[in-house]
Amino acid sequence: QVQLQESGPGLVKPSDTLSLTCAVSGYSISTTNSWWGWIRQPPGKGLEWIGYINYSGTTYYNPSLMSRVTMTVDTSKNQFSLNLLSVTAVDTAVYYCAKRGSGGSLDYWGQGTLVAVSS
Amino acid sequence: QSVLTQPPSVSGAPGQRVTISCTGSSSNLGAGHDAHWYQQFPGTAPKLLIYRSNIRPSGVPDRFSGSKSGTSASLAITGLQAADEADYFCQSYDTGLSGAVFGGGTKLTVL
Repeated sequence: QVQLQESGPGLVKPSDTLSLTCAVSGYSISTTNSWWGWIRQPPGKGLEWIGYINYSGTTYYNPSLMSRVTMTVDTSKNQFSLNLLSVTAVDTAVYYCAKRGSGGSLDYWGQGTLVAVSS
Repeated sequence: QSVLTQPPSVSGAPGQRVTISCTGSSSNLGAGHDAHWYQQFPGTAPKLLIYRSNIRPSGVPDRFSGSKSGTSASLAITGLQAADEADYFCQSYDTGLSGAVFGGGTKLTVL
């Protein structure tokens, strides 16, 4: 059974960096052609794609966030990470990590972690 | 403003059939990219309901079905149940963004 689990601070100060990690179990992150993603959901709002990373570290980012986002993969720990620079209140959201599946769907999701940006 | 457009809300009585539409453009659904649908209950992560426009993952009841034509996709739910009350999101791939795009979500109310 594939499982994903986000971890990281629940509170980040404005202008600081938001850093989250997604630990994957039940599936090797190194599997050829596997892609992994971050998605966020502001309170009471819809879903926003942040970016994808694959097993070799190739990335695709949402153009609206590209200047502030970095994603990395650590195959030795079977996990991948998100860094979002210079956060403001609009970055307050539940952040989800997910596995990309057939046809570009997101077939497995983490439970999500709420990150609030506040001083 | 979401790239894919969904109605904010739909409703139906138990046992009825409801449909939720998802309208895109020539850079996503119209470009031949698949539609995927997710069900989300309050405080929980989205769950994949339909992928590749009309395929149900294992365990999803056949009361849920999907279709796609041109720049639009639809999710149909038959035999509506109180347990179906949730938010539903569509998703596709956008060629211009080189990534995923979502609809704004539709809240289903079972009357």
